[in-house]
Amino acid sequence: RKEVEQDPGPFNVPEGATVAFNCTYSNSASQSFFWYRQDCRKEPKLLMSVYSSGNEDGRFTAQLNRASQYISLLIRDSKLSDSATYLCVVNLNNDMRFGAGTRLTVKP
Amino acid sequence: SAVISQKPSRDICQRGTSLTIQCQVDSQVTMMFWYRQQPGQSLTLIATANQGSEATYESGFVIDKFPISRPNLTFSTLTVSNMSPEDSSIYLCSVGGVTEAFFGQGTRLTVV
Repeated sequence: RKEVEQDPGPFNVPEGATVAFNCTYSNSASQSFFWYRQDCRKEPKLLMSVYSSGNEDGRFTAQLNRASQYISLLIRDSKLSDSATYLCVVNLNNDMRFGAGTRLTVKP
Repeated sequence: SAVISQKPSRDICQRGTSLTIQCQVDSQVTMMFWYRQQPGQSLTLIATANQGSEATYESGFVIDKFPISRPNLTFSTLTVSNMSPEDSSIYLCSVGGVTEAFFGQGTRLTVV
């Protein structure tokens, strides 16, 4: 079993759509959780951290369920600029483990 | 935050040769990480480089193939040795960890 598993995608959605990405992790001792965004031919950059209480940043909402070892990302009102690969990242003792990424394409 | 300068940004190399990738960080950091990202794949950790000690390699990666230097708290190099086409990939250095990871711009390596 992979340490971090994500929806394989790709997701192709129209502008304005709501899209949700899911991720599960295998190590229950994992300490912190993130969603990263990676644009084509660029390095990954932090999109948002994920907390058990859930957190929202504009159109983006992230949720963590420690009991189920499950992380989600919801994007509302999708924009063309949201097109990218979204990486689920789990940290344990400064060791970051990356999911395979979910590719999102938002179309006009 | 941290700013990382990584070079070269890309290279095309002959099989059997070696390439050394450099990362310079704008602040002192204890740990630096080296990742490989193969086409269409996510990031795979190669090794963790601590200043003053030998790098710690992940399963499937060995020092003879990927020697790492960490001469001070702001700099590290990764060498891809005796390259084959299977080594064609993007290589990324990274710092940080608990709250956020910062990445270099990546080195796109093509082995022919």
